[in-house]
Amino acid sequence: GQSLEQPSEVTAVEGAIVQINCTYQTSGFYGLSWYQQHDGGAPTFLSYNALDGLEETGRFSSFLSRSDSYGYLLLQELQMKDSASYFCAVRGPLTGRRALTFGSGTRLQVQP
Amino acid sequence: DAGVTQSPTHLIKTRGQQVTLRCSPKSGHDTVSWYQQALGQGPQFIFQYYEEEERQRGNFPDRFSGHQFPNYSSELNVNALLLGDSALYLCASTPAGKRSEQYFGPGTRLTVT
Repeated sequence: GQSLEQPSEVTAVEGAIVQINCTYQTSGFYGLSWYQQHDGGAPTFLSYNALDGLEETGRFSSFLSRSDSYGYLLLQELQMKDSASYFCAVRGPLTGRRALTFGSGTRLQVQP
Repeated sequence: DAGVTQSPTHLIKTRGQQVTLRCSPKSGHDTVSWYQQALGQGPQFIFQYYEEEERQRGNFPDRFSGHQFPNYSSELNVNALLLGDSALYLCASTPAGKRSEQYFGPGTRLTVT
């Protein structure tokens, strides 16, 4: 099957850097995605890693190590609006190439 | 360019009833996936439609069924509703030829009493 583990909650202060880790188990792997979801909102695509290494998009970066079945999302220069839930998700055989298996999410609280 | 749209936004049904939820994908997107999200959990994959056929299905019973129309819009039907079906139902569309991204609609909040 497919399963993902990520911390349930992370707290950080405005302006700081925070890293959200994700480990996954899957019998097949096409890529690791990250999504942001504010309370009452829809998940919003942040990043996608198919290959090992770091992908940077503005204040957000995502890293993947396929040999370790591990990835992380790095958020820099935290802002209050970054308070949200962050989900890692994998594309794999159970959901096909076009759908995702999500982790349970990490709730990030940014404090002033 | 309109994003993914879903209707209705909220719905209250009684146990045993049937419900139909609707989704229109973004322009240029040909694949629609449906997810169920319980409170405090990540979205769970229900099924996916491409070229008007169900291509992949998650671990959901046959009470959950769907359809995709020639204009790529989609419906999710749930029969014999249970209290446990209360959740946010999300529709996501994928651009043609680009499998790595999914764009989610705002969801339909279904409450079963």
